[in-house]
Amino acid sequence: AQSVTQPDIHITVSEGASLELRCNYSYGATPYLFWYVQSPGQGLQLLLKYFSGDTLVQGIKGFEAEFKRSQSSFNLRKPSVHWSDAAEYFCAVGAVNDKIIFGKGTRLHILP
Amino acid sequence: GAVVSQHPSWVICKSGTSVKIECRSLDFQATTMFWYRQFPKQSLMLMATSNEGSKATYEQGVEKDKFLINHASLTLSTLTVTSAHPEDSSFYICSARVRQSNTEAFFGQGTRLTVV
Repeated sequence: AQSVTQPDIHITVSEGASLELRCNYSYGATPYLFWYVQSPGQGLQLLLKYFSGDTLVQGIKGFEAEFKRSQSSFNLRKPSVHWSDAAEYFCAVGAVNDKIIFGKGTRLHILP
Repeated sequence: GAVVSQHPSWVICKSGTSVKIECRSLDFQATTMFWYRQFPKQSLMLMATSNEGSKATYEQGVEKDKFLINHASLTLSTLTVTSAHPEDSSFYICSARVRQSNTEAFFGQGTRLTVV
């Protein structure tokens, strides 16, 4: 069965510092992987996605993620965070004609 | 990118009444739509998958008779919460998959349901 694990419930970083949010997945076939961001009371915005090809994926807002099959991971990174990046981040896994399953999310806090 | 419109964005209803939430794909045809429920500060829990023209597939533990899903066309799916109770209060989010690309889903802005 598909599953997604985001081990960090909360992460706090200083503005301007680098960021890495962890995501591990379990899926029997080649997964399609996503990172979404959600601001309070809002829907989800897709940051980036991995379907195939280059394992380093560039997304919007300066985010990137690296797919590592050997580690079943798809960690999200940003070299320098901004206060506006404070939000909830969800990693998700899906496949062709299959449902998309979300991790529990990581709440990102930014210190001024 | 593709746009999914969810309506209403928030609704307050009395216990015992029914509430309908609409999910529309505005500029693409969606063969599959998903309905999620999100409790405060928690992740999205998939409730059901609906395919155009067929019955929805519900996740384990989701009451079919309480959460009625209709996917009447390639651009519209509806979720009706029947005989709502305060414990049904939640944030409901729909997503739709582009017909020609069965891997990426686009999300609506969500509906905040409060049952009083």
